[in-house]
Amino acid sequence: GENVEQHPSTLSVQEGDSAVIKCTYSDSASNYFPWYKQELGKRPQLIIDIRSNVGEKKDQRIAVTLNKTAKHFSLHITETQPEDSAVYFCAASIAASKLTFGTGTRLQVTL
Amino acid sequence: NAGVTQTPKFRVLKTGQSMTLLCAQDMNHEYMYWYRQDPGMGLRLIHYSVGEGTTAKGEVPDGYNVSRLKKQNFLLGLESAAPSQTSVYFCASSIPGAKQQFFGPGTRLTVL
Repeated sequence: GENVEQHPSTLSVQEGDSAVIKCTYSDSASNYFPWYKQELGKRPQLIIDIRSNVGEKKDQRIAVTLNKTAKHFSLHITETQPEDSAVYFCAASIAASKLTFGTGTRLQVTL
Repeated sequence: NAGVTQTPKFRVLKTGQSMTLLCAQDMNHEYMYWYRQDPGMGLRLIHYSVGEGTTAKGEVPDGYNVSRLKKQNFLLGLESAAPSQTSVYFCASSIPGAKQQFFGPGTRLTVL
C-alpha cells in the first residue's frame, strides 16, 4: 500500500518567516495530495490540495508544490503568523476513497 | 447544516467491554471513513464505506467492525475493547472522487 513520510516532525519559526514542510510518497499511482491543519483539540481541516496534473498551487500565504518524478510534495507558508501554529498533515490518495496520512508536523510560530 | 457529528465525545471503557461510536453527516455524502489518531502516528484509516450497505477494511481494521445501514450514518463498533484501542477516533465524509474529506469533532476513548 501507499506510504507517506513527512518531515520535520517539529518546526519552530519566528513570526514573519517562512515555513516549509516536506512529504514523500511511495506509490506513483497516487494522484491527490491534500494538506490538513489541526489545532489543539480540534478536527483536521483542509487548507489546500493539489492533483497530479498540477505542479504548484497557491492560496494567499499558502502554496503546495508537487514533483511527481521524485514523488514528493511540499507545503510552503509565507509570512507566518501566531495563528498558523498547529499540527499539519500531508496525505496521498491512490484511489479516491482512501487517504494515507503522514505523521504530522508541529509548527510553532514564535513572536 | 451540522456537517459531520460524532457521538459520544468522550468515553472510558474497561478492558473487554463493548461500545459503538456513531457518526452522522447531513451533507448527503456517499463516502464515509473512520480513522484513529495516536501521538506521533498521524491518522490511520480503520474502515471506510463508499455507499449505503457497503464497507471495506482500511489500514488498521483488526478489533473493529462497522456498519452503514443508512447513507447518513456510519457506526464503528468495538466488541471487546483493549488498552491498545485507547485513541482519538475521527469520522469523515466526502463525495466520490479525489475530493476533500470533512471531519467530525472526534471521540476520545480510553480503555483501562
